Amino acid sequence: DIQMTQSPSSLSASVGDRVTITCRASQNIGSYLNWYQQQPGKAPNLLISAASSLHSGVPSRFGGSGSGTDFTLTISSLQPEDFATYFCQQSYSKPYTFGQGTKLEIK
Amino acid sequence: QVQLQESGPGLVKPSETLSLTCTVSGGSLRSYYWSWFRQSPGKGLEWLGYIYYSGGPYYSPSLKSRVSISVDTSKNQFSLKLSFVTAADTAVYFCARGPYSNYGYFEHWGQGTLVSVSS
Repeated sequence: DIQMTQSPSSLSASVGDRVTITCRASQNIGSYLNWYQQQPGKAPNLLISAASSLHSGVPSRFGGSGSGTDFTLTISSLQPEDFATYFCQQSYSKPYTFGQGTKLEIK
Repeated sequence: QVQLQESGPGLVKPSETLSLTCTVSGGSLRSYYWSWFRQSPGKGLEWLGYIYYSGGPYYSPSLKSRVSISVDTSKNQFSLKLSFVTAADTAVYFCARGPYSNYGYFEHWGQGTLVSVSS
């Protein structure tokens, strides 16, 4: 199985801050990387597919980049509704696997 | 807008079979893949497997000996069975549409249902 490692595991930031979350794959996965946001008690919500393609309806302050083994999710200016947990997911090969999550908390 | 809703027992005894159903509304099962996931504090988000609307399931190798996914297009439902459960199978279980497109993402999810394994 492909292992996905996110860093940091948790992050404290303030409204208006720019934040970056990193996801590393245990092998080359090309651009087969998706990002999700999860609010407490809710299902994951797709933000970005194919490493950098913003999903319909997702605010433009979210951005994704990377290929191969190293990927980043950037939020350019944090809004109150962005404080949540973020997951990366590889779809290069089955079984599909997720990072352990990055919890973004209010400072 | 397609919506998914999980249903089934919230408590299952050890060694018994966990059974969940996902009912899809606002759209057809046809032409899509349909997946099951679970999420627990200890193991994070885990993909369990998928089924195509016309059959042909694929299961995660880690659970392949215990998991079964089926589809009932007449009821617009698909189902999960996990046999010989233990406390380690306690988790929130989600159903979702996908993997979708070449990039294997999951766009529509159920709200999730907590299943506890306990005697």
